Amino acid sequence: AQRVTQPEKLLSVFKGAPVELKCNYSYSGSPELFWYVQYSRQRLQLLLRHISRESIKGFTADLNKGETSFHLKKPFAQEEDSAMYYCALLLSSGGSYIPTFGRGTSLIVHP
Amino acid sequence: EAGVAQSPRYKIIEKRQSVAFWCNPISGHATLYWYQQILGQGPKLLIQFQNNGVVDDSQLPKDRFSAERLKGVDSTLKIQPAKLEDSAVYLCASSREYSTGELFFGEGSRLTVL
Repeated sequence: AQRVTQPEKLLSVFKGAPVELKCNYSYSGSPELFWYVQYSRQRLQLLLRHISRESIKGFTADLNKGETSFHLKKPFAQEEDSAMYYCALLLSSGGSYIPTFGRGTSLIVHP
Repeated sequence: EAGVAQSPRYKIIEKRQSVAFWCNPISGHATLYWYQQILGQGPKLLIQFQNNGVVDDSQLPKDRFSAERLKGVDSTLKIQPAKLEDSAVYLCASSREYSTGELFFGEGSRLTVL
C-alpha cells in the first residue's frame, strides 16, 4: 500500500535543542512530498515542499529515496515551533493526484 | 486573498440525524477537497473535485455521505444518517490545480455525534 508513516506521535525538546521529525513513505512512483504545520488555534498550512528545496522558519527537509524518508529538521528549536506537523505525499494514480497525509507528530518545545 | 471559508464551525447532533457542511474555496482555485480528521489521526481524503467534476471519491462512505460542487465553486458535504464514528473535524481545502500538493485549508467544521 502506498502511504506515509510518522512514527512519533509526540516529540518533546527544550529550546535550543535540535529537532528531527521523522517521515517515511511507501510509493512506487516518483514521490512529491510536503510538510504541513498546524499551530494552536490556526488552520493547517503548508510549511515546505521537497521540490523547492528551501528553508522555511529554519526548517529543512531532504528527500532520501534510498531510505524512503523525508525527515524535517531544525538545528535550534524555538518555543514558537510548538505545533502539529504532518508529512504528506502526493499520490499519482490514473491521471489524478491525491494528497495523502500521515497521522502527525506533535512537537512541544519547552522553555 | 480571502482564505477558504467553512461553516458551521461546530455542530452537535444525535445519531441518525443529518448534517450538512458548506465550503467556499479561494477564488480561482479549481480543485476542492473534503478531508475527515478523527481525533489523533491525520486528515483522510473523502472526496476531491476538479471544477464541478469528481476526481476521487474512493474513500467516501457513499451509503451515508454525499458531496456536490455545483457551478464549480462552493461545495456541500452531507451526512445522512450520522453515526457515532462520524464524530470528527471536516476539513475543506482548495488548490489552484489538481496536480499540485499545495493545499489551502479552511478552519474546519467539528462534528460531535451523540
